[in-house]
Amino acid sequence: AQSVTQLGSHVSVSEGALVLLRCNYSSSVPPYLFWYVQYPNQGLQLLLKYTTGATLVKGINGFEAEFKKSETSFHLTKPSAHMSDAAEYFCAVSDYGGATNKLIFGTGTLLAVQP
Amino acid sequence: DAGVTQSPTHLIKTRGQQVTLRCSPKSGHDTVSWYQQALGQGPQFIFQYYEEEERQRGNFPDRFSGHQFPNYSSELNVNALLLGDSALYLCASSIGPVTNEKLFFGSGTQLSVL
Repeated sequence: AQSVTQLGSHVSVSEGALVLLRCNYSSSVPPYLFWYVQYPNQGLQLLLKYTTGATLVKGINGFEAEFKKSETSFHLTKPSAHMSDAAEYFCAVSDYGGATNKLIFGTGTLLAVQP
Repeated sequence: DAGVTQSPTHLIKTRGQQVTLRCSPKSGHDTVSWYQQALGQGPQFIFQYYEEEERQRGNFPDRFSGHQFPNYSSELNVNALLLGDSALYLCASSIGPVTNEKLFFGSGTQLSVL
Protein backbone atom coordinates (compact mmCIF):
# COMPACT_ATOMS: atom_id res chain seq x y z
CA ALA A 1 0.00 0.00 0.00
CA GLN A 2 1.10 3.50 -0.74
CA SER A 3 1.87 5.93 2.09
CA VAL A 4 3.62 9.19 2.86
CA THR A 5 5.36 10.37 5.99
CA GLN A 6 5.84 14.03 6.73
CA LEU A 7 8.66 14.71 9.16
CA GLY A 8 7.87 17.53 11.54
CA SER A 9 4.28 18.46 12.29
CA HIS A 10 5.33 22.07 12.98
CA VAL A 11 8.06 24.07 11.27
CA SER A 12 8.90 27.67 12.09
CA VAL A 13 11.11 29.90 9.95
CA SER A 14 11.94 33.58 9.82
CA GLU A 15 10.71 35.72 6.97
CA GLY A 16 13.28 35.52 4.17
CA ALA A 17 14.73 32.22 5.37
CA LEU A 18 14.76 28.93 3.48
CA VAL A 19 11.68 26.76 3.78
CA LEU A 20 12.23 22.99 3.82
CA LEU A 21 9.32 20.64 4.42
CA ARG A 22 10.13 16.95 4.39
CA CYS A 23 8.16 14.12 2.83
CA ASN A 24 9.08 10.47 2.38
CA TYR A 25 6.91 8.07 0.46
CA SER A 26 6.35 4.37 0.09
CA SER A 27 4.91 3.06 -3.14
CA SER A 28 4.77 -0.32 -4.86
CA VAL A 29 4.43 1.36 -8.24
CA PRO A 30 6.20 4.37 -9.76
CA PRO A 31 4.77 7.14 -7.61
CA TYR A 32 2.81 10.20 -8.56
CA LEU A 33 3.53 12.74 -5.81
CA PHE A 34 1.84 15.97 -4.83
CA TRP A 35 2.15 18.89 -2.45
CA TYR A 36 -0.97 20.74 -1.36
CA VAL A 37 -1.38 23.85 0.79
CA GLN A 38 -4.32 24.55 3.07
CA TYR A 39 -5.00 28.01 4.46
CA PRO A 40 -7.29 28.38 7.49
CA ASN A 41 -10.94 27.62 6.73
CA GLN A 42 -10.16 26.77 3.13
CA GLY A 43 -9.84 23.69 1.01
CA LEU A 44 -6.64 22.28 -0.45
CA GLN A 45 -4.76 24.00 -3.25
CA LEU A 46 -2.28 22.15 -5.44
CA LEU A 47 1.25 23.56 -5.20
CA LEU A 48 2.99 21.13 -7.52
CA LYS A 49 3.06 17.54 -8.68
CA TYR A 50 5.52 14.97 -9.95
CA THR A 51 4.37 12.33 -12.40
CA THR A 52 7.19 11.37 -14.72
CA GLY A 53 10.17 13.10 -16.32
CA ALA A 54 12.15 15.89 -14.73
CA THR A 55 12.77 15.20 -11.07
CA LEU A 56 12.87 18.87 -10.06
CA VAL A 57 9.35 20.20 -10.13
CA LYS A 58 8.47 23.87 -9.91
CA GLY A 59 5.15 24.98 -8.53
CA ILE A 60 3.21 28.06 -7.66
CA ASN A 61 4.27 30.78 -5.23
CA GLY A 62 7.98 30.04 -5.70
CA PHE A 63 7.86 26.49 -4.29
CA GLU A 64 9.69 23.56 -5.79
CA ALA A 65 10.27 19.92 -4.91
CA GLU A 66 12.76 17.29 -5.97
CA PHE A 67 11.87 13.65 -6.49
CA LYS A 68 14.68 11.43 -5.22
CA LYS A 69 13.95 7.79 -5.89
CA SER A 70 17.04 6.52 -4.06
CA GLU A 71 15.92 8.32 -0.91
CA THR A 72 12.17 7.83 -1.48
CA SER A 73 11.79 11.53 -0.77
CA PHE A 74 9.90 14.47 -2.22
CA HIS A 75 10.88 17.43 -0.06
CA LEU A 76 9.32 20.86 -0.61
CA THR A 77 11.50 23.96 -0.63
CA LYS A 78 11.26 27.69 -1.10
CA PRO A 79 14.37 29.90 -1.04
CA SER A 80 12.84 32.80 0.86
CA ALA A 81 9.80 32.56 3.13
CA HIS A 82 7.07 35.16 3.05
CA MET A 83 4.51 35.85 5.74
CA SER A 84 1.79 34.72 3.35
CA ASP A 85 3.34 31.23 3.22
CA ALA A 86 2.08 30.49 6.73
CA ALA A 87 -0.32 27.58 6.24
CA GLU A 88 -0.55 23.81 6.51
CA TYR A 89 1.19 21.75 3.86
CA PHE A 90 0.29 18.21 2.86
CA CYS A 91 2.30 15.73 0.86
CA ALA A 92 0.30 13.09 -1.02
CA VAL A 93 0.84 10.06 -3.23
CA SER A 94 -1.54 8.69 -5.82
CA ASP A 95 -2.88 5.28 -4.84
CA TYR A 96 -1.89 3.48 -8.05
CA GLY A 97 0.42 5.80 -9.90
CA GLY A 98 -1.37 7.31 -12.86
CA ALA A 99 -4.23 4.85 -12.76
CA THR A 100 -6.26 6.78 -10.21
CA ASN A 101 -6.62 10.21 -8.73
CA LYS A 102 -7.35 8.76 -5.29
CA LEU A 103 -4.76 10.39 -3.05
CA ILE A 104 -3.12 9.20 0.14
CA PHE A 105 -2.18 12.19 2.28
CA GLY A 106 0.39 12.68 4.99
CA THR A 107 -0.54 14.15 8.34
CA GLY A 108 0.57 17.63 7.36
CA THR A 109 3.17 20.18 8.41
CA LEU A 110 2.09 23.50 9.86
CA LEU A 111 4.44 26.23 8.67
CA ALA A 112 4.80 29.35 10.80
CA VAL A 113 6.68 32.38 9.43
CA GLN A 114 8.10 34.75 12.00
CA PRO A 115 8.66 38.44 11.13
CA ASP B 1 -16.20 30.29 -13.21
CA ALA B 2 -17.30 28.89 -9.86
CA GLY B 3 -15.03 26.34 -8.34
CA VAL B 4 -16.15 23.44 -6.18
CA THR B 5 -18.95 24.51 -3.88
CA GLN B 6 -20.01 22.68 -0.75
CA SER B 7 -22.98 23.15 1.52
CA PRO B 8 -23.53 23.72 4.31
CA THR B 9 -20.27 25.21 5.57
CA HIS B 10 -20.93 24.21 9.17
CA LEU B 11 -23.24 21.67 10.72
CA ILE B 12 -23.92 20.49 14.25
CA LYS B 13 -25.60 17.15 14.88
CA THR B 14 -26.05 14.80 17.82
CA ARG B 15 -25.01 11.18 18.08
CA GLY B 16 -27.26 8.78 16.23
CA GLN B 17 -28.57 11.37 13.78
CA GLN B 18 -28.14 11.30 10.03
CA VAL B 19 -26.53 14.01 7.92
CA THR B 20 -26.36 14.89 4.22
CA LEU B 21 -23.58 17.00 2.76
CA ARG B 22 -23.69 18.44 -0.75
CA CYS B 23 -21.12 19.20 -3.40
CA SER B 24 -21.27 20.90 -6.78
CA PRO B 25 -18.20 20.21 -8.92
CA LYS B 26 -16.26 22.74 -10.90
CA SER B 27 -17.76 23.51 -14.27
CA GLY B 28 -16.75 20.87 -16.81
CA HIS B 29 -15.83 18.29 -14.18
CA ASP B 30 -17.62 14.96 -14.05
CA THR B 31 -15.97 13.15 -11.14
CA VAL B 32 -16.43 13.84 -7.45
CA SER B 33 -14.35 12.48 -4.58
CA TRP B 34 -15.04 12.87 -0.87
CA TYR B 35 -12.42 13.11 1.86
CA GLN B 36 -12.67 13.25 5.64
CA GLN B 37 -10.14 15.43 7.47
CA ALA B 38 -10.11 14.93 11.22
CA LEU B 39 -8.53 17.60 13.39
CA GLY B 40 -4.76 17.54 13.06
CA GLN B 41 -4.81 14.87 10.34
CA GLY B 42 -4.49 14.73 6.61
CA PRO B 43 -7.54 14.10 4.44
CA GLN B 44 -8.63 10.48 4.13
CA PHE B 45 -10.37 9.20 1.00
CA ILE B 46 -13.96 8.13 1.53
CA PHE B 47 -15.18 7.34 -1.99
CA GLN B 48 -15.37 8.60 -5.54
CA TYR B 49 -18.31 8.95 -7.92
CA TYR B 50 -18.19 8.90 -11.69
CA GLU B 51 -21.07 8.32 -14.12
CA GLU B 52 -23.41 8.22 -11.12
CA GLU B 53 -21.68 5.17 -9.69
CA GLU B 54 -19.32 4.64 -6.78
CA ARG B 55 -16.03 3.78 -8.44
CA GLN B 56 -13.60 3.55 -5.55
CA ARG B 57 -14.02 3.37 -1.81
CA GLY B 58 -11.70 3.94 1.10
CA ASN B 59 -11.73 2.23 4.47
CA PHE B 60 -15.01 3.66 5.75
CA PRO B 61 -18.02 1.76 7.11
CA ASP B 62 -21.30 1.37 5.28
CA ARG B 63 -22.74 4.20 7.38
CA PHE B 64 -21.06 6.41 4.82
CA SER B 65 -22.89 6.43 1.53
CA GLY B 66 -23.17 8.74 -1.41
CA HIS B 67 -24.88 9.63 -4.61
CA GLN B 68 -24.07 11.42 -7.82
CA PHE B 69 -26.75 13.14 -9.85
CA PRO B 70 -26.97 13.53 -13.64
CA ASN B 71 -25.65 17.09 -13.35
CA TYR B 72 -22.52 15.62 -11.65
CA SER B 73 -23.29 17.09 -8.24
CA SER B 74 -22.94 14.73 -5.32
CA GLU B 75 -24.17 14.03 -1.81
CA LEU B 76 -22.45 12.37 1.10
CA ASN B 77 -24.72 10.74 3.67
CA VAL B 78 -23.65 9.56 7.08
CA ASN B 79 -26.04 7.52 9.21
CA ALA B 80 -25.96 6.80 12.94
CA LEU B 81 -23.46 9.55 13.62
CA LEU B 82 -20.67 8.92 16.11
CA LEU B 83 -18.59 11.46 17.97
CA GLY B 84 -15.63 10.33 15.87
CA ASP B 85 -17.37 11.47 12.71
CA SER B 86 -16.66 15.06 13.70
CA ALA B 87 -14.37 16.36 10.97
CA LEU B 88 -13.99 18.60 7.97
CA TYR B 89 -15.49 16.89 4.93
CA LEU B 90 -13.88 17.90 1.67
CA CYS B 91 -15.21 17.42 -1.81
CA ALA B 92 -12.86 17.35 -4.78
CA SER B 93 -13.77 17.34 -8.44
CA SER B 94 -11.85 16.37 -11.57
CA ILE B 95 -12.22 15.45 -15.21
CA GLY B 96 -12.38 11.67 -15.11
CA PRO B 97 -11.51 9.28 -12.28
CA VAL B 98 -8.38 7.62 -13.52
CA THR B 99 -6.16 10.32 -14.91
CA ASN B 100 -4.06 12.62 -12.87
CA GLU B 101 -5.91 15.66 -13.93
CA LYS B 102 -5.74 18.30 -11.30
CA LEU B 103 -8.08 17.84 -8.37
CA PHE B 104 -9.96 20.94 -7.27
CA PHE B 105 -11.06 20.99 -3.64
CA GLY B 106 -13.95 22.81 -2.07
CA SER B 107 -13.64 24.65 1.24
CA GLY B 108 -15.37 21.83 3.06
CA THR B 109 -18.20 21.24 5.49
CA GLN B 110 -17.25 21.30 9.16
CA LEU B 111 -19.35 18.66 10.92
CA SER B 112 -19.53 18.62 14.70
CA VAL B 113 -21.21 15.67 16.41
CA LEU B 114 -22.22 16.26 20.02
